[in-house]
Amino acid sequence: DAGITQSPRHKVTETGTPVTLRCHQTENHRYMYWYRQDPGHGLRLIHYSYGVKDTDKGEVSDGYSVSRSKTEDFLLTLESATSSQTSVYFCAIKGERESTDTQYFGPGTRLTVL
Amino acid sequence: GNSVTQMEGPVTLSEEAFLTINCTYTATGYPSLFWYVQYPGEGLQLLLKATKADDKGSNKGFEATYRKETTSFHLEKGSVQVSDSAVYFCALSPGNQFYFGTGTSLTVIP
Repeated sequence: DAGITQSPRHKVTETGTPVTLRCHQTENHRYMYWYRQDPGHGLRLIHYSYGVKDTDKGEVSDGYSVSRSKTEDFLLTLESATSSQTSVYFCAIKGERESTDTQYFGPGTRLTVL
Repeated sequence: GNSVTQMEGPVTLSEEAFLTINCTYTATGYPSLFWYVQYPGEGLQLLLKATKADDKGSNKGFEATYRKETTSFHLEKGSVQVSDSAVYFCALSPGNQFYFGTGTSLTVIP
């Protein structure tokens, strides 16, 4: 258990509204990631962070922004949600010390945009 | 570039059958290779990993061998159980980023 929580776990929102998803970790891991999971696409990287205020884009970053003002929190924001952003969102961290090459995942957030 | 291709599902097997899920990869450098499992409504969990050529990862009766010559990391289990029903993802990591296959859904029937 890498101590990763995500909130909210479920959210229904309307097109055009802003949405922020939160990922919280308790073990001071440097690297954190946001993915979306869609049928037929597996997991696709949205953004990742390699330290406080250090972030970079993944393959599907359009329409998403992130922030990391504290080591333990990594926020994903949809500035103006669209129906194509209906998905399950997973946060992950990269292990350290003997597990530096392994990712550990949170439980996911199911987002529905109507 | 880096990418993972895994066999498409869904796969349906009877209990105690032999399982193989194929995974091949394209990578720069020498990546670590992984199999993750996802049960309904949950996040991905690490099942096993291998960090260099010819390494064999194993866990809970599942095995996979890192084959550099065929760029493959096929998942096998000799006798599946109903509780193995899940979605399985092959993945690779050359460093700080991770690349996943599209997942293979496995259903084991009694």
